[in-house]
Amino acid sequence: ETGVTQTPRHLVMGMTNKKSLKCEQHLGHNAMYWYKQSAKKPLELMFVYSLEERVENNSVPSRFSPECPNSSHLFLHLHTLQPEDSALYLCASSRDRVTDTEAFFGQGTRLTVV
Amino acid sequence: GENVEQHPSTLSVQEGDSAVIKCTYSDSASNYFPWYKQELGKGPQLIIDIRSNVGEKKDQRIAVTLNKTAKHFSLHITETQPEDSAVYFCAATRGNRDDKIIFGKGTRLHILP
Repeated sequence: ETGVTQTPRHLVMGMTNKKSLKCEQHLGHNAMYWYKQSAKKPLELMFVYSLEERVENNSVPSRFSPECPNSSHLFLHLHTLQPEDSALYLCASSRDRVTDTEAFFGQGTRLTVV
Repeated sequence: GENVEQHPSTLSVQEGDSAVIKCTYSDSASNYFPWYKQELGKGPQLIIDIRSNVGEKKDQRIAVTLNKTAKHFSLHITETQPEDSAVYFCAATRGNRDDKIIFGKGTRLHILP
């Protein structure tokens, strides 16, 4: 266990549904991230939160909406997704936002959009 | 921006043999190079990293080498075991607060019995 927990592990949703992914860490880390992992593509950074403030949004469509209510929890709200959004969504945390420190990843949520 | 190329995309080696995965990067200012291992059904996990002031680093059966001049770095796994089967990702970053960490596309390593 890495100390980063994601729920649910698997999610199937229709294109008109609204769902949320949840991430939780109790490592005392100040930075949290959402990544998208698609087959045969590099990990794509979606959002970065540092001390609960969103500091980066890498041109992610508005149908993905992150929320960080406190430093231990991170959500990704999904609505009106497309089939091409099907992927593994990974949450990660690190001690702080500097990128030369270890990132701890959750097990991911396997999302299928039908 | 930084670009990281990783080869091969798939690698099969006999148990007990060595495996080598190579990465190249484009940004000469990158100075931190981690390697992550992702087992089936799990998220990536850091296995070893190297900084630009070091040419080689070893941790038991795994080692990483860095050639700053050529801008490439490699992961070496010796005496491979079945539990080494996984997807391995290299990455590169300048290591600053506002920087990004750029990952390679990954290498799927199969250890054959």
